[in-house]
Amino acid sequence: QLQLQESGPGLVKPSETLSLTCTVSGGSISSSSTYYWGWIRQPPGKGLEWIGSIYYSGVTYYNPSLKSRVTVSVDTSTNQFSLKLSSVTAADTAVYYCARIYVSGSYDWGQGTLVTVSS
Amino acid sequence: QTVVTQEPSFSVSPGGTVTLTCGLSSGLVSTSSYPSWYQQTPGQTPRTLVYSTSTRSSGVPDRFSGSILGNKAALTITGAQEDDESDYYCVVYMGSGIWVFGGGTKLTVL
Repeated sequence: QLQLQESGPGLVKPSETLSLTCTVSGGSISSSSTYYWGWIRQPPGKGLEWIGSIYYSGVTYYNPSLKSRVTVSVDTSTNQFSLKLSSVTAADTAVYYCARIYVSGSYDWGQGTLVTVSS
Repeated sequence: QTVVTQEPSFSVSPGGTVTLTCGLSSGLVSTSSYPSWYQQTPGQTPRTLVYSTSTRSSGVPDRFSGSILGNKAALTITGAQEDDESDYYCVVYMGSGIWVFGGGTKLTVL
């Protein structure tokens, strides 16, 4: 059974960089080309927003509205992938989910982690 | 940027049938968009209901079904139950590795 677990600081100061890691267990991050590894966020009381994703090969795809601030990377040696979001503001306060995203649209979700941007 | 549109809210009586839709601000949703549907209750992680237009995820009751209706994707709940009261999100593949979520539909069962 695949499990995904987000980790990282729950509080980030404005203008700094948000950094999160997703640890994948129960499966290899590099075992298939039929899915990506991605990040989705949900501001409090609002809807879901796709942030970006990465193939195990390192090819990345980003939400155009966030592209200038987002970096998603993968470390196959540790079975982890990561999110960095720079120059954060209060608008970046959200629950951040990592997910395995099949090309068919099926998502396997992590449990999510709340990141608050505040001084 | 193309916006994925969903009804903000919908209401259905217990035992009734409701169809939620997922469209695009410009263009049409097709099977090539791999439209998928997720259910989320407050404070919980989203749950995949239907993916690739009409494939139910493992363990999802068959009262949930997905389809294309005209130029939109649709999620139909037949015989709605009180615990179907949730937020429902669709996501659409836009090409070039990019996915876009709809704004969600808040379904009330009463």
